[in-house]
Parts: sequence; C-alpha cells; structure tokens
Amino acid sequence: EPEVTQTPSHQVTQMGQEVILRCVPISNHLYFYWYRQILGQKVEFLVSFYNNEISEKSEIFDDQFSVERPDGSNFTLKIRSTKLEDSAMYFCASSVHRGEGEKLFFGSGTQLSVL
Amino acid sequence: SQQGEEDPQALSIQEGENATMNCSYKTSINNLQWYRQNSGRGLVHLILIRSNEREKHSGRLRVTLDTSKKSSSLLITASRAADTASYFCATDEGNAGNMLTFGGGTRLMVKP
Repeated sequence: EPEVTQTPSHQVTQMGQEVILRCVPISNHLYFYWYRQILGQKVEFLVSFYNNEISEKSEIFDDQFSVERPDGSNFTLKIRSTKLEDSAMYFCASSVHRGEGEKLFFGSGTQLSVL
Repeated sequence: SQQGEEDPQALSIQEGENATMNCSYKTSINNLQWYRQNSGRGLVHLILIRSNEREKHSGRLRVTLDTSKKSSSLLITASRAADTASYFCATDEGNAGNMLTFGGGTRLMVKP
C-alpha cells in the first residue's frame, strides 16, 4: 500500500539553527499538509499546500516556517531559526483531493528536538 | 473545553471486550473523522462520518454522530491486543478544506 514517507525520523538541532524536514507524499496525491504534535498535546494543523502554493495556514505557521515542493516528489518544511518551543513531532500528510470528507494519509513523523 | 475533546483520556480493557470512546466538539462541522496512532507512528484514518449521518460501520468499528449534542462516539467491538493505540477524533470546523482540528485522544490499552 502506498505511504507517505518522512525523513529523518529524528532530528536534533541547536536553538537558532535552520532545519529542513522532508516528506515524500503519495505519488498521485495533489494536496499536502504539515501538522505537528508537541509532546502531551494535540495534533495541530500548520499548513496546506496545493499547486505550488500555500492554501491555508494556521497562526502557528509564522515567518519562521516555509514549505516547498522542490521537485516532483519531495515536500519540505523549513524552520529558519529554531526555538525550544518548536520541539515536537512533525507529521506530513497528503490527500488526493481537497474538500469535505477527504481522508488524509499521514507519514510516521519526524521528531524534532531543539536544544 | 476545546474543539475535539475525547473522553476518557485513557481506557484499559481485556481482549474481547468492547471499547467506547467519545468526542465532543464546539463548532459546526461538515464531517468528523477518527484516526488511530500507534506509539511513535503516524496517524491512520479509520472512518469518516458526515454531518447528515447518524451512524456508520466499518468492520469492528461503529461510529455515531449526534450533531445536536456536538458529540461522536467510536465503538470497537471484540477488541484485540493489536487495537492498543491512541484514538483521535478530528473535525473540519465547517471548513471546505482539510484543515483538521484534532482532539486530545484516548489512549486505549487492550490486555491479552
């Protein structure tokens, strides 16, 4: 069964450093998302992406965050200058369509630890 | 409470028993989804119920939705040890897109 893959599974970085989290969505999917889950808290929406532009973003997704689809397969989340509070599990997801009742396929996540 | 609150937060049962998890939400919705998360893994979509539906089945899963009470329940019948996971409800808050709002989850442990 096709799946969303994320790399790396764990990323440790120093505060203030830039990190890039990588995702390979399912090949025929057109919509891509990033969610995050801080330890012990809820899964939170960050951003959705379609046709090479951001469709929606949450308040969390500030100027420190950016997303990109650099080629036909990868979808990346960049955090320019990491803060301690960015430590979380980051999930990439994709879907065929956008709209009511569209189920999302999630990757296994990247655990980001900012020291 | 916030959008998408599950209860109980944790549930421990014996294999073969049924597990019921509840979710409450605050805004209007188009649909409500349930996801499962095994420890250290991503979220897996289980079932979706639309706002005009009251009940839906998928294998051993049964989901109900009461829009008047803004609540949903997920029932897993004849539970197995492999059902041990966290279960989350997620709503779209009436958005047309896929910006889902997740609840805090119920940690289910099924003892063999």
